[in-house]
Amino acid sequence: EAQVTQNPRYLITVTGKKLTVTCSQNMNHEYMSWYRQDPGLGLRQIYYSMNVEVTDKGDVPEGYKVSRKEKRNFPLILESPSPNQTSLYFCASSFGGSGTSPLHFGNGTRLTVT
Amino acid sequence: AQKVTQAQTEISVVEKEDVTLDCVYETRDTTYYLFWYKQPPSGELVFLIRRNSFDEQNEISGRYSWNFQKSTSSFNFTITASQVVDSAVYFCALSAGSNDYKLSFGAGTTVTVRA
Repeated sequence: EAQVTQNPRYLITVTGKKLTVTCSQNMNHEYMSWYRQDPGLGLRQIYYSMNVEVTDKGDVPEGYKVSRKEKRNFPLILESPSPNQTSLYFCASSFGGSGTSPLHFGNGTRLTVT
Repeated sequence: AQKVTQAQTEISVVEKEDVTLDCVYETRDTTYYLFWYKQPPSGELVFLIRRNSFDEQNEISGRYSWNFQKSTSSFNFTITASQVVDSAVYFCALSAGSNDYKLSFGAGTTVTVRA
């Protein structure tokens, strides 16, 4: 089944404790991206990747890192999480840019930082 | 810069009523793509429609229809004869340029359909 898989679905952590949210897609998509969803703000792009080893910042990259060492994986890293990073996170992928084909989204990761 | 505005935060209707969700966008690009996504209470994001800037034809898919008007920079979405299963958050989104890698979302409209 074609899908984008994020793990974990739920995560509660404390301020400053490094964490990684994994994202994997099995559709051979070149484009992958991370979004965070906050009430009243919709989804905002954190980082995106056009292909292996090619990444760029989105609208809200501060406090996040990403890597794209393999085509299928695009982990989101929070080196020192803070409470303002409490949010619902979505990973997404598509064949081309975000305009040329619809994004396929993972099921989301709800992160709470205390 | 690109921007999407969904002015309606919440809409509540009784089953079988029609509901229209407004979406206004801003972009300087002549080539762009507009999307609608649905987020049901279970939380996943479901793709509904993609429309490019050169195709202003309205579209109907079952009880869903979309009205794209470049003159007013709007891409409105209507659910006809709403059902309880239509209760969800609906997002309008914009991607400008065929090689653009940014999808800008509106804040979303929460639709509640009461039985």
